[in-house]
Parts: sequence; C-alpha cells; structure tokens
Amino acid sequence: QKEVEQNSGPLSVPEGAIASLNCTYSDRGSQSFFWYRQYSGKSPELIMFIYSNGDKEDGRFTAQLNKASQYVSLLIRDSQPSDSATYLCAVNGGTGGGNKLTFGTGTQLKVEL
Amino acid sequence: NAGVTQTPKFQVLKTGQSMTLQCAQDMNHNSMYWYRQDPGMGLRLIYYSASEGTTDKGEVPNGYNVSRLNKREFSLRLESAAPSQTSVYFCASSGRDRGGETQYFGPGTRLLVL
Repeated sequence: QKEVEQNSGPLSVPEGAIASLNCTYSDRGSQSFFWYRQYSGKSPELIMFIYSNGDKEDGRFTAQLNKASQYVSLLIRDSQPSDSATYLCAVNGGTGGGNKLTFGTGTQLKVEL
Repeated sequence: NAGVTQTPKFQVLKTGQSMTLQCAQDMNHNSMYWYRQDPGMGLRLIYYSASEGTTDKGEVPNGYNVSRLNKREFSLRLESAAPSQTSVYFCASSGRDRGGETQYFGPGTRLLVL
C-alpha cells in the first residue's frame, strides 16, 4: 500500500516568513514528487515537481527531496496572505505506478497579517 | 485553450438514480483520470485511462464505470448512486510539460446524493 503522509495543520506563519511544508512517502521506488496548491472550493493547481535529490527553486518556492529518508518538503519564502491554502504532496511512479499519482491529505497553511 | 473542463458543476441525486459526469481536455494529453475528494481522505483515484482505448481501476472503483470516448473525453458514470458517493469529483489529464509528466485538474463536480 503506497502512502503519502502530511501533517494536516493548520500551519500558521506570519506574513513575510518562510513556510515549511513536509511530506513523507512509503514506496522507495517512487520516482517523481509533486506539490499542488488547493484553495478552498477550487481544484488543485500544480506548483512544482522534483525528481532528483536536492533542492529545486522556482520563484518563492523551493522543493527539497531526500530519497534516502523518503522525505520531500516545500519551502515558501516571503509568505503572503494569498499563499493561504491547502498544499498537497503527490508521488508518482514506483511499483506499478505508471503515471498515477498518490496524494497526501494535505497541509493547511494560514499566512497571518 | 480551456485546459480540462467538467460538467456539471453541481448535481443533486436521489439514492438509486444514475448520472454521467463529463470531462474533456484540449491539451492533447494521452492520460486522463477521475478522482474523488472527501474531507480528511484526500484525493483518491477512481479510474484512469493511460491512452485512448484503455481504462484501468484505481483505488476506489466500486460503484463507478468509465468510458474513454476519444482522446479528448473521459466520462464517469454512477449507475445507482448511493449517499457514500457524495463527494467532489475531479477529472485530470497528464502529459509532458515543464520537463516532466504533469497532471492538470478540471474545476470539479460537487455531487450530493440524498
């Protein structure tokens, strides 16, 4: 059974701070890792993905992957109130994965003024 | 370029009624997916279609059927709706984009089964 675990939160950070969102996964064969943002009542939208160990930066977002620890994280720098949303971690590949994604239940982020 | 579209946006059914949720994408993607999202459960895969002409079960297929009508369209059918199928349903498609195989979601269908 593939599992993707996230702390449900809410994670509260002040405006301008760094928000750190974490995700662990159980299938060691997983190959690619995605972060989606979902506003209340809306559909998930892709923020970024990462395949290789290390960091990947895209604007204010940095994804970090550690395959040995089966851990992926998302850092949001200079957090804004508009970043308040639920962040979904998703994992692709591994045993019989194909292009299917397994999602975590999401972490709710609240950025406070 | 509309991306992934879904109809209807909202639906109320009585137990035992049937309905079909429609999904279409204009991104020329091969793979399409149906998910349901319930509070505390996250997104769960119902069925997927890796390419036109193929469909496979996901994590929670019971009570649902799908049809991959052509490359653009992938429909989800509830033959006899049950209250446990009250949920938000998302369709997605995936293709090579931004350097990887990425999934894009439609706006969702909110279904209430009484």
